[in-house]
Amino acid sequence: AQTVTQSQPEMSVQEAETVTLSCTYDTSENNYYLFWYKQPPSRQMILVIRQEAYKQQNATENRFSVNFQKAAKSFSLKISDSQLGDTAMYFCAFIVNFGNEKLTFGTGTRLTIIP
Amino acid sequence: SQTIHQWPATLVQPVGSPLSLECTVEGTSNPNLYWYRQAAGRGLQLLFYSIGIDQISSEVPQNLSASRPQDRQFILSSKKLLLSDSGFYLCAWSQGVGDTEAFFGQGTRLTVV
Repeated sequence: AQTVTQSQPEMSVQEAETVTLSCTYDTSENNYYLFWYKQPPSRQMILVIRQEAYKQQNATENRFSVNFQKAAKSFSLKISDSQLGDTAMYFCAFIVNFGNEKLTFGTGTRLTIIP
Repeated sequence: SQTIHQWPATLVQPVGSPLSLECTVEGTSNPNLYWYRQAAGRGLQLLFYSIGIDQISSEVPQNLSASRPQDRQFILSSKKLLLSDSGFYLCAWSQGVGDTEAFFGQGTRLTVV
């Protein structure tokens, strides 16, 4: 069974600081994709970053980067130079490549950026 | 370009009444379709997903059902709503083959009274 665990229900950080959100997952598959989605107060889901499991290099998107540890089944999100607009719920998500297509989300971390 | 429409945006229904939430996708073909529920302050619970017409997988056995009458239409239904069915329902689509981004509708806030 596919499971995604986010152990930090809530986090807060001062503006301009760096924050890391944790995510672990469980699967017996070898090929899969991992995602971080952001849900601001508007409730619209927005893709932040994605990582292919077969790539060793960690994905980066501007101020957002991941630390992907395949053996440990860990996929953390680092937000650098945090901005007020980063305040949102962040969800880690997981999908097995080919033939399954079940997109599973974690329970989310509510991140608040403090001015 | 592809768009996803989900309606209604809000719904207040009495216990025991039926439910029908509709989701349609435009600008693509044979999308993967998903229904999620987000209870207050909680994560996204996958309810149903479909990789094609007549191919619907149920993740949570309860009084909800899903149908896909057309390639780009996904409907979430219930014959009799329970109080516990209240929540925020999200429809999503992706092009499939693993990697691609999932796009979400605006959501439906359902309150069962």
